Amino acid sequence: QQPVQSPQAVILREGEDAVINCSSSKALYSVHWYRQKHGEAPVFLMILLKGGEQKGHDKISASFNEKKQQSSLYLTASQLSYSGTYFCGSSTPSGNTPLVFGKGTRLSVIA
Amino acid sequence: DADVTQTPRNRITKTGKRIMLECSQTKGHDRMYWYRQDPGLGLRLIYYSFDVKDINKGEISDGYSVSRQAQAKFSLSLESAIPNQTALYFCATWTGVHGYTFGSGTRLTVV
Repeated sequence: QQPVQSPQAVILREGEDAVINCSSSKALYSVHWYRQKHGEAPVFLMILLKGGEQKGHDKISASFNEKKQQSSLYLTASQLSYSGTYFCGSSTPSGNTPLVFGKGTRLSVIA
Repeated sequence: DADVTQTPRNRITKTGKRIMLECSQTKGHDRMYWYRQDPGLGLRLIYYSFDVKDINKGEISDGYSVSRQAQAKFSLSLESAIPNQTALYFCATWTGVHGYTFGSGTRLTVV
């Protein structure tokens, strides 16, 4: 079952912060985050494997709450280069299942 | 050279024609995937393969078939193309801790 992302779209000014949420009705084994710029392939940002795990990548970080079956992506002090569509992908505890992706969150950063 | 290469990049075909989309990878990863992307729907799984002898259907496999000719090659075929198969198609490999690596995509239009 497809994870649910929110919001669907967000517009930020440079320097503002944003949070993108990803939730699932099924138990999660891992959560991936990807960014896709217009006309390009999705690019891997990070993977979270354990409940409670948090990771950071430059000014982009994420958390994974296994109990609540959700993950959040945090973008701090946004830059123009952060614009794109962000996807979360989830896999179930069997471990070998392919990722099921959410519908995406379109992020636009303006000057 | 790109880790995952898809050909062609763009293709326009007529309804009823058979078409093959090709994917090759240079990193020796076992797991390969075909996803389809439609605006607002995210990435949906068509087929996946964990090795040459292992092929599995995904969420939306009807109307598609695949062939894993070698560890490095995973092709997607549309036996008789129809207009609602117009979409952006991505091939991906599973790299482990660095998640999925996607090819550049094939934009297919069925007229």
